[in-house]
Amino acid sequence: EIVLTQSPGTLSLSPGERATLSCRPSQSVASHFLAWYQQKTGQAPRLLIYAASIRATGIPDRFSGWGSGTDFTLTISRLEPEDFAVYYCQQYGRSPVTFGQGTKLEIK
Amino acid sequence: QVQLVQSGAEVKKPGSSVKVSCKSSGATFSTYDITWVRQAPGQGLEWMGGIIPIFGTPNYAQKFQGRLTITADESTSTAYMELSSLRSEDTAVYYCARGRYSDNSGNYFESEYWGQGTLVTVSS
Repeated sequence: EIVLTQSPGTLSLSPGERATLSCRPSQSVASHFLAWYQQKTGQAPRLLIYAASIRATGIPDRFSGWGSGTDFTLTISRLEPEDFAVYYCQQYGRSPVTFGQGTKLEIK
Repeated sequence: QVQLVQSGAEVKKPGSSVKVSCKSSGATFSTYDITWVRQAPGQGLEWMGGIIPIFGTPNYAQKFQGRLTITADESTSTAYMELSSLRSEDTAVYYCARGRYSDNSGNYFESEYWGQGTLVTVSS
């Protein structure tokens, strides 16, 4: 199976700063099949980005994704208080579908 | 608007089975993938398996082969996840989720809609 390694494990930043989160698959993943989710405590995950770079419905444009192959990135341009959460990448191009272990974005 | 409503929390004994339902409303059910994802306390997301109702054949993660059964009832727009031979490590919140897109080819897609989660506690 494809293992997704996310880094850093925890990212401590202040509101207004820029966040850069990494997702590195163990094998090449087609861009069409890479997504990012946000999860807040006690809530279901929320789809942010699909096909590596397309924002899901209702997602603010401060969220952006890019990458290909074995190197993908989620960027939040200017952090808002509600952005502090855990972020997961997911690949769904090869069975089984797999998730990264998550990056916790916390307030500094 | 698509909604997925899951059945309520369960407490189970080790060795028993649990069956969680996920009822879909608001859109076509049969052609979109329904997947099951679990999250143990304080842990990350784990994809368990899924089904595209119109095709009927489920897809399971290797880890759950032999213990997991995913089914879908098109007449009631409800998907089910049954996990058997439960052990304490199966204590988790179980989510169903529906794909954002359907291409009628059997592919799974990113999950845009999620159920509220069902807590399954396995304890003697």
